Amino acid sequence: DAKTTQPPSMDCAEGRAANLPCNHSTISGNEYVYWYRQIHSQGPQYIIHGLKNNETNEMASLIITEDRKSSTLILPHATLRDTAVYYCIVRVRNYGGSQGNLIFGKGTKLSVKP
Amino acid sequence: NAGVTQTPKFRILKIGQSMTLQCTQDMNHNYMYWYRQDPGMGLKLIYYSVGAGITDKGEVPNGYNVSRSTTEDFPLRLELAAPSQTSVYFCASSSQGSGDNEQFFGPGTRLTVL
Repeated sequence: DAKTTQPPSMDCAEGRAANLPCNHSTISGNEYVYWYRQIHSQGPQYIIHGLKNNETNEMASLIITEDRKSSTLILPHATLRDTAVYYCIVRVRNYGGSQGNLIFGKGTKLSVKP
Repeated sequence: NAGVTQTPKFRILKIGQSMTLQCTQDMNHNYMYWYRQDPGMGLKLIYYSVGAGITDKGEVPNGYNVSRSTTEDFPLRLELAAPSQTSVYFCASSSQGSGDNEQFFGPGTRLTVL
């Protein structure tokens, strides 16, 4: 079973920030938070990951609470092309065995509207 | 680089038929994975491989077989197709020891068993 809880769907206006929440209250100390997204009919795409510090890259920002029990993915200026299912995943990083494998839940379906 | 490529894109099988889904990556990644995705659900791991000659079961391996004779190729074999194997199949790869160990996904194979 996935170790994360996400809302099933969210809407966002084009050009506004999209804030996608994720609860991972049972996360352990060596587990990272990863975000992937899946645009309709395509394979998932990596977005960002973090351990406890906030992270930012060219696609998004990741805010992790101090107790690490929840996080928020932020798309600063959502476009129509950001419409996708967003998956929040916790996993051990760089581990060679099955503990490092991704476990996908149902994710959040983000709809960006004009 | 072409990344992760999968063939065929679509296939219809009759119950009891067999087929091989092909997956190739040109990024010299050691790790490769096969997932299936049923409608409205997240991805489930079928098999994975940490290097040539080494494979292991994932969450839903029954009805499937894999082999890894080269670093580049990771074919998935269905011996006796069943309607329950109707799904979209994604292959992925990742690099051992890379900074992020993100998984790169192929475009998927849509399989229907009638």
